[in-house]
Amino acid sequence: AQSVTQPDIHITVSEGASLELRCNYSYGATPYLFWYVQSPGQGLQLLLKYFSGDTLVQGIKGFEAEFKRSQSSFNLRKPSVHWSDAAEYFCAVGGISNFGNEKLTFGTGTRLTIIP
Amino acid sequence: DTAVSQTPKYLVTQMGNDKSIKCEQNLGHDTMYWYKQDSKKFLKIMFSYNNKELIINETVPNRFSPKSPDKAHLNLHINSLELGDSAVYFCASSQGTGGVINEKLFFGSGTQLSVL
Repeated sequence: AQSVTQPDIHITVSEGASLELRCNYSYGATPYLFWYVQSPGQGLQLLLKYFSGDTLVQGIKGFEAEFKRSQSSFNLRKPSVHWSDAAEYFCAVGGISNFGNEKLTFGTGTRLTIIP
Repeated sequence: DTAVSQTPKYLVTQMGNDKSIKCEQNLGHDTMYWYKQDSKKFLKIMFSYNNKELIINETVPNRFSPKSPDKAHLNLHINSLELGDSAVYFCASSQGTGGVINEKLFFGSGTQLSVL
């Protein structure tokens, strides 16, 4: 069964500082990996995804993530955060369910707070 | 215009009642979904629906039923509400029928359901 762990429930970062959000996954085959962001009062928005190829993936809003198979990780990074980055971030892994359907399994999210 | 809109935003009701949550997308997408986010922030798919098939997550009780009057709408009906149904429910859509891995999902802002 596929699963996703986001070890950090809440992270606080100063504006302009760098950011790294951790994500570890469990999946038997080559994973499809995603990062979504949920701003307050909004739905989830796709930041980036990894399917294959280059293990460093660029996304929207200046975010990037690196797939490390040996560590079963897909951490999200940004060199310099902005106050508008304050949101909830969800990592997800895509795979095939026991019933043969595609499914996304989400982590429990990391809430990011930005301080001036 | 909001791409994926849900109503109501908040819904408070008594156990045993029947309620509906509406979802509309103005993106011309072919597939719509319902997700449930529980109190621990786990986000799980409940249904995906296009004009060809309805795919139901095997863990969803049959008290939950999606109704699609047309391609732009997928409403969620819940019968005999239980305390455990309290959660945030998200509607989403995707352009094609390629599955949740290949398709980009567009989410609504969620409906907070509280069952008393």
